Amino acid sequence: DQQVKQNSPSLSVQEGRISILNCDYTNSMFDYFLWYKKYPAEGPTFLISISSIKDKNEDGRFTVFLNKSAKHLSLHIVPSQPGDSAVYFCAASASPDSNSGYALNFGKGTSLLVTP
Amino acid sequence: EPEVTQTPSHQVTQMGQEVILRCVPISNHLYFYWYRQILGQKVEFLVSFYNNEISEKSEIFDDQFSVERPDGSNFTLKIRSTKLEDSAMYFCASSEVGGYTFGSGTRLTVV
Repeated sequence: DQQVKQNSPSLSVQEGRISILNCDYTNSMFDYFLWYKKYPAEGPTFLISISSIKDKNEDGRFTVFLNKSAKHLSLHIVPSQPGDSAVYFCAASASPDSNSGYALNFGKGTSLLVTP
Repeated sequence: EPEVTQTPSHQVTQMGQEVILRCVPISNHLYFYWYRQILGQKVEFLVSFYNNEISEKSEIFDDQFSVERPDGSNFTLKIRSTKLEDSAMYFCASSEVGGYTFGSGTRLTVV
């Protein structure tokens, strides 16, 4: 079952503009959300996370917004750069458990292309 | 910057053979994980490992799979009798309580 959904398989944005990547989830137990970026032949690289006690988290050009009532989160990249071209995965989990770590549930990813 | 190292980067094996995928997690991390990604599909959780035992596993992680931390640094995933559908990228990850660090993956091809 697809508990984390990224409904846009691809997105193309011009350099300098805003990229908005969307993610929906179905499991109300999820309270920790992460975005990963993945280049071909590499593992996912952690970008930014947010816990459910917040509705926004910002780190440089990357901002994640969380709308708990809609079970929706989004990643904003401003300004977009050609080097941002990659596959972006949304992931969700129940809170990290100090006794067991935590399993991540991934979306299928959105392939972002930033054109010059 | 500390990284998770996986070897080999690509492994080809015959159906029915056993394979061992190797990982060296970040040294001060306590939680270890295996994920896989079948071509064109999402990244899927297989298993988490903490305090020398499996803490959580998915439905995919059946009796054909096992994990081990044979010494203080390596973390291995064994597939006892590989099937064609085991062909995938296998990612190891480690974490403290917080964001994961993934390795670059091992591409397993079962022929």
